[in-house]
Amino acid sequence: QVQLQESGPGLVKPSQTLSLTCTVSGGSISSGNYYWSWIRQPAGKGLEWIGRIYTSGSTNYNPSLKSRVTISLDTSKNQYSLNLISVTAADTAVYYCARWVWGLGLDFWGQGTLVTVSS
Amino acid sequence: SYDLTQPPSVSVSPGQTARITCSSNALPNQYGYWYQWKPGQAPVVVIYKNNQRPSGIPERFSGSSSGTAVTLTISGVQAEDEADYYCQSADSSGVSGLFGGGTKLTVL
Repeated sequence: QVQLQESGPGLVKPSQTLSLTCTVSGGSISSGNYYWSWIRQPAGKGLEWIGRIYTSGSTNYNPSLKSRVTISLDTSKNQYSLNLISVTAADTAVYYCARWVWGLGLDFWGQGTLVTVSS
Repeated sequence: SYDLTQPPSVSVSPGQTARITCSSNALPNQYGYWYQWKPGQAPVVVIYKNNQRPSGIPERFSGSSSGTAVTLTISGVQAEDEADYYCQSADSSGVSGLFGGGTKLTVL
């Protein structure tokens, strides 16, 4: 059974960089036809797709966030990461990592981590 | 606003049929997926590729598509079906993912 776990600071100051890591267990992030994804949910709102990275390292990003987002793989640690620069209060949300399988959807999710942007 | 449009809430009595529709101009060219999300639990795929039901999902869950919309139908709703339901797809290029705003299903 694949498991995902988000980790990172719960508080980030405005204009700084939000950095989160997703640790994957029960499977290798460098094999298989999987896209490792990031999704967020502001309080009281719906889900927002942030972006994804394929096992090969190729990435796709939400056009509205593309200028600020980087997703990367660390195969040695079986982790992948999210960096979001120049954050504002609007980036306050619960951030989820999840695995996307083409044709099947997002089949495994982390439990989510709350990141608050505040001075 | 969200790129996929779905109603914020749907209410039905036990045993009735609940229908949640999700619409987007991208849907004729992209598959739709439906997730059930209960408090304190991870989301679960209940429908993939517009109308396919994963193993373990009750037969009362079904999906359909028509033009710019996909629909999740829950026949014979049970109390345990009360949850938030999200539709998900991709933009017309298939590169960027999209979510609907979520629909809270209330079983009266």
